[in-house]
Amino acid sequence: NAGVMQNPRHLVRRRGQEARLRCSPVKGHSHVYWYRQLPEEGLKFMVYLQKENIIDESGMPKERFSAEFPKEGPSILRIQQVVRGDSAAYFCASTLTRASSTEAFFGQGTRLTVV
Amino acid sequence: DQQVKQNSPSLSVQEGRISILNCDYTNSMFDYFLWYKKYPAEGPTFLISISSIKDKNEDGRFTVFLNKSAKHLSLHIVPSQPGDSAVYFCAASDSTNAGKSTFGDGTTLTVKP
Repeated sequence: NAGVMQNPRHLVRRRGQEARLRCSPVKGHSHVYWYRQLPEEGLKFMVYLQKENIIDESGMPKERFSAEFPKEGPSILRIQQVVRGDSAAYFCASTLTRASSTEAFFGQGTRLTVV
Repeated sequence: DQQVKQNSPSLSVQEGRISILNCDYTNSMFDYFLWYKKYPAEGPTFLISISSIKDKNEDGRFTVFLNKSAKHLSLHIVPSQPGDSAVYFCAASDSTNAGKSTFGDGTTLTVKP
């Protein structure tokens, strides 16, 4: 299966802990996007990264959230000092290019629950 | 302000009939539109897209129509099948980066046998 792989699928954290969500894009894809979906809502763009660079983080909360896509290894979305409002499904997508005609492939998501 | 709106949270149709899902947008900068299908506990799957230079795109049972003047698009599924039951998301982007999309809240389609 050469699709987008996200892990863990489910993550439970207590308030104040850190959450690390990982995303391995489709092999050969160098563009990665993170989205968040709250219950009963659509997906909201958070951040767009290329290898080793953050290109667009206009959807990222200003505090506690960070993302990286290192030269080697998966992209990481990190949430520090989690709060109940961070509970959501986090999806990662990857594309081959950033052209408008390219298809974005989504992973199965990580469901974060903050207790 | 929600830039992409799907005003019908749910739609129920009989197997074999047509399903029509609607979507409205407000941002004139959007020039590329996509429909995604999503099953519970899975990620969205790309279904069909349309560029703003077209008003119709067809792929098998799925057709997307775009009315730029009304800032409205619709997805037609005909004939509908029970396996089409899922949440359908409308998404819009500009041509500089299709991976960064603005999503509607989704419409849950139920196709009854």
